[in-house]
Amino acid sequence: AQSVSQHNHHVILSEAASLELGCNYSYGGTVNLFWYVQYPGQHLQLLLKYFSGDPLVKGIKGFEAEFIKSKFSFNLRKPSVQWSDTAEYFCAVIHAGKSTFGDGTTLTVKP
Amino acid sequence: NAGVTQTPKFQVLKTGQSMTLQCAQDMNHEYMSWYRQDPGMGLRLIHYSVGAGITDQGEVPNGYNVSRSTTEDFPLRLLSAAPSQTSVYFCASRGRGDTQYFGPGTRLTVL
Repeated sequence: AQSVSQHNHHVILSEAASLELGCNYSYGGTVNLFWYVQYPGQHLQLLLKYFSGDPLVKGIKGFEAEFIKSKFSFNLRKPSVQWSDTAEYFCAVIHAGKSTFGDGTTLTVKP
Repeated sequence: NAGVTQTPKFQVLKTGQSMTLQCAQDMNHEYMSWYRQDPGMGLRLIHYSVGAGITDQGEVPNGYNVSRSTTEDFPLRLLSAAPSQTSVYFCASRGRGDTQYFGPGTRLTVL
């Protein structure tokens, strides 16, 4: 079955640590890729997206993601996290008009 | 421009009751979707629509009905609520292949 996998369910980091959250998808062909963030008590907001072109995309708040087609991956990175980055992060794929989300990764940043 | 609106924000039902969760968007988006969010399970697609008059099932459609009589509105109906439908429900809309915009969510409890 086609799916989106996020490998880390819960990540705990100290402030200033580097972050990488994994995302793999199993769809062939053309896909649109997204990372969303959900701060506590809020709805999902877009961090960044990839449709085509440069596989390294930059989003808001210092986040970036790299699309590696050969690995079916779209990992999210941030060089130095802040306490305010504590949230749940979702990878999502749109394929053939249908969107699928990963299970989410909860990031806790310790001050 | 209100974006995506959802009502109600909170709802408590008894088993067997029916209700409709309302969703509206004012961005003239073709695509609208309903998701449920449960701890550790990410967002699961319930139903979606690619335009007025067109709906399709997502990953977890059982127990839910939808209709799309206008571009703006996409109500979700629970015909006979069950405790397993206790969840947070998010409505989202998007243009073709583009970013999803989420509503604020409806927190539903079924006793």
